Amino acid sequence: DVKVTQSSRYLVKRTGEKVFLECVQDMDHENMFWYRQDPGLGLRLIYFSYDVKMKEKGDIPEGYSVSREKKERFSLILESASTNQTSMYLCASSDFWTGVAMGEQFFGPGTRLTVL
Amino acid sequence: RKEVEQDPGPFNVPEGATVAFNCTYSNSASQSFFWYRQDCRKEPKLLMSVYSSGNEDGRFTAQLNRASQYISLLIRDSKLSDSATYLCVARSGNTGKLIFGQGTTLQVKP
Repeated sequence: DVKVTQSSRYLVKRTGEKVFLECVQDMDHENMFWYRQDPGLGLRLIYFSYDVKMKEKGDIPEGYSVSREKKERFSLILESASTNQTSMYLCASSDFWTGVAMGEQFFGPGTRLTVL
Repeated sequence: RKEVEQDPGPFNVPEGATVAFNCTYSNSASQSFFWYRQDCRKEPKLLMSVYSSGNEDGRFTAQLNRASQYISLLIRDSKLSDSATYLCVARSGNTGKLIFGQGTTLQVKP
């Protein structure tokens, strides 16, 4: 079974803090994604990566950066957390070929981040 | 306008009912479509792909109408365990990037 794990289920940070969210997948997937999910807005793509050291902006990259130093790990960084970044953050991975064709992304359990 | 739009519901139906969800998409270049299911406080999981010819998986039937740019999901003989949020999803071009609708909530009651 594909497993995507995220470093924390719940996180509380203060405005201005630097926040790291870690995601690890164990299926050797090329593609990895970071989303945030908010009521009424659904899942919105923040950043994604097709390969190690490669990254592309999603729909809402402002205020975020990412790092992919190893294939299995994709980190989301909030350089200076703000209250409007309070949200559920979901990481996902997919196989480059079958994932593209089949539309299947495997999600982690999510990190609920609260910025005070 | 959102690229993928769904009626958020909630849809409250009795067990055994048939319920249908529709979803519209605005980008005619979207290549493929899918339905994901998300249980309360859980991550989304792929339910089924959607093909122009329509496809069925047990009690679930998905249909794509490219001319009208809408996707449907039909659930027959609803079970309590079908209670969840159903996400309509479009794949953008030839990339692995997915565009998610906000989801439609279904509550099946005894």
